[in-house]
Amino acid sequence: ETGVTQSPTHLIKTRGQQVTLRCSSQSGHNTVSWYQQALGQGPQFIFQYYREEENGRGNFPPRFSGLQFPNYSSELNVNALELDDSALYLCASSLVLGNYGYTFGSGTRLTVV
Amino acid sequence: GQQLNQSPQSMFIQEGEDVSMNCTSSSIFNTWLWYKQDPGEGPVLLIALYKAGELTSNGRLTAQFGITRKDSFLNISASIPSDVGIYFCASLYATNKLIFGTGTLLAVQP
Repeated sequence: ETGVTQSPTHLIKTRGQQVTLRCSSQSGHNTVSWYQQALGQGPQFIFQYYREEENGRGNFPPRFSGLQFPNYSSELNVNALELDDSALYLCASSLVLGNYGYTFGSGTRLTVV
Repeated sequence: GQQLNQSPQSMFIQEGEDVSMNCTSSSIFNTWLWYKQDPGEGPVLLIALYKAGELTSNGRLTAQFGITRKDSFLNISASIPSDVGIYFCASLYATNKLIFGTGTLLAVQP
């Protein structure tokens, strides 16, 4: 059984640009959640996808959007990047909706300059 | 909104010492989770608690679900260097959203 893999591991973007981060869920997991972790803080919930539909969203603006594909891989897209978007972005998958057993990836470190 | 406050913020201990940390909230939760995060990695689940008063162990780790359902405690016995990392408490709200605490940084000196 493979774990959760994220790509790229590191990324540098310029303010105003757009970015796409990718996540491959653990085999068989149909639920994926994305989290933003600023330096020195705990992860903050961005949104969750279940069976390709958004299933809950945290306090993030619409320029944060996502997609989940039939093979349960997913993307996080951020438009009009701001300096404060610099953070570690974590993807977590779980086998069952509402199950606490999230498996986290190692994250993508995004730096906006 | 919901917020989980962890203390202490950081701990610097000698190998072999026992460690205690806690997590408090003004809100009631039905689940308490404890995660460890190593540098450059995502959080890894250590212990999950589901019932007020529950005490659960995982090797040298022991966690308790507070009786008021507003707090939880994590103890690590006989610490070793690989215990170094950031420990987060977390809970579920709205069935599918994990809320994380502020974290406790643990440093263990050999």
